[in-house]
Amino acid sequence: QLVLTQSPSASASLGASVKLTCTLSSGHSSYAIAWHQQQPEKGPRYLMKLNSDGSHSKGDGIPDRFSGSSSGAERYLTISSLQSEDEADYYCQTWGTGIQVFGTGTKVTVL
Amino acid sequence: QVQLVESGGGLVKPGGSLRLSCAASGFTFSDYYMSWIRQAPGKGLEWVSYISSSGSTIYYADSVKGRFTISRDNAKNSLYLQMNSLRAEDTAVYYCARGCGGDCHGVGASDYWGQGTLVTVSS
Repeated sequence: QLVLTQSPSASASLGASVKLTCTLSSGHSSYAIAWHQQQPEKGPRYLMKLNSDGSHSKGDGIPDRFSGSSSGAERYLTISSLQSEDEADYYCQTWGTGIQVFGTGTKVTVL
Repeated sequence: QVQLVESGGGLVKPGGSLRLSCAASGFTFSDYYMSWIRQAPGKGLEWVSYISSSGSTIYYADSVKGRFTISRDNAKNSLYLQMNSLRAEDTAVYYCARGCGGDCHGVGASDYWGQGTLVTVSS
């Protein structure tokens, strides 16, 4: 079964970095994922597609502060130089034949 | 620029029906997979359904299978979701999202999202 696992929360200080993790279920470690940001009271915004080899392609206008990397079944989103507007929920997404799956989301708090 | 604009949400009684629309612009709609994704109040994102660029391939989440029907009109650059036998647990903001375009191996990532339309199922 295709499942994505995310920690419920993360926090870091203004100007610092935070690294979020999305873990693919067993047998699915080769899958690409996408990262999405959802600021309070707004719709989701696509950040990037992240492949199993760590290569990624960002959405339009996504700052360089957002980067992605991969290791085995884990996919990471690193936000550098945290800004107040980065306080949001972050969801990972993957897909297969006949299905799209979202992780439960990580709420990022900027201290 | 790519734009997706949903409409058709509202208040409906349990067992009722509603049809959502998504108007697309700024890209060649007929080249892309499209999805419906929903978010219940205070909850996370849940995939509902997707449709291939031609409309020949369609899939649904188990939670809506047999009750919801996705369709598209490429001549009108529009995506639809017919929702029947609605339940309280279908209450959510419904988003349409663009998927893979061109040479695709499946629906791909949702790289553009609409602003959403709220569906409330309540008596």
